[in-house]
Amino acid sequence: QKEVEQNSGPLSVPEGAIASLNCTYSDRGSQSFFWYRQYSGKSPELIMFIYSNGDKEDGRFTAQLNKASQYVSLLIRDSQPSDSATYLCAVANAGNNRKLIWGLGTSLAVNP
Amino acid sequence: DVKVTQSSRYLVKRTGEKVFLECVQDMDHENMFWYRQDPGLGLRLIYFSYDVKMKEKGDIPEGYSVSREKKERFSLILESASTNQTSMYLCASGLTSGDTGELFFGEGSRLTVL
Repeated sequence: QKEVEQNSGPLSVPEGAIASLNCTYSDRGSQSFFWYRQYSGKSPELIMFIYSNGDKEDGRFTAQLNKASQYVSLLIRDSQPSDSATYLCAVANAGNNRKLIWGLGTSLAVNP
Repeated sequence: DVKVTQSSRYLVKRTGEKVFLECVQDMDHENMFWYRQDPGLGLRLIYFSYDVKMKEKGDIPEGYSVSREKKERFSLILESASTNQTSMYLCASGLTSGDTGELFFGEGSRLTVL
């Protein structure tokens, strides 16, 4: 059974701090990794994707990938209360990359 | 702006009723998906379609069927609704090539089966 695991949280950080969200996956053949944000009562929206080992930065967000350790993370710098949401890690299924394997999400609370 | 529209935001149905959930996308995407989302269980794939009239079972297809007669429209059908199908249903669409994990979701349809 291919799995994606995330700490459910809640992860609580003060405003302005760095929030670090982590995800591990079991399918060693996976090549594509995605972070979605889901506000309460809303649908998921894609915020970052990463395909290569290392870091990828987009504004206040940095995705980090380590395929050898089967680990992907999302860093949010200068966290804002508007970042409070559930963050879903998704990994493309190596056997059928149309299908994503989803983690259960980490709830992030940014406190003013 | 990219748009995935689900026909009903809230539905209340009785056990045994036939339920249709409709989804339309305006991005000319090949792939369309139906998920359900439940607390503690996350997003679970019911069915997806990669072309008109083509469909593949996801992880939890039992009790559901789908229809894709036109590229922009993907329907989820509950032939005989049961209480354990009470859930939030999310439709999504995405491209075949390139960033195939970039999905665009509709606003969701919250179904309650009594």
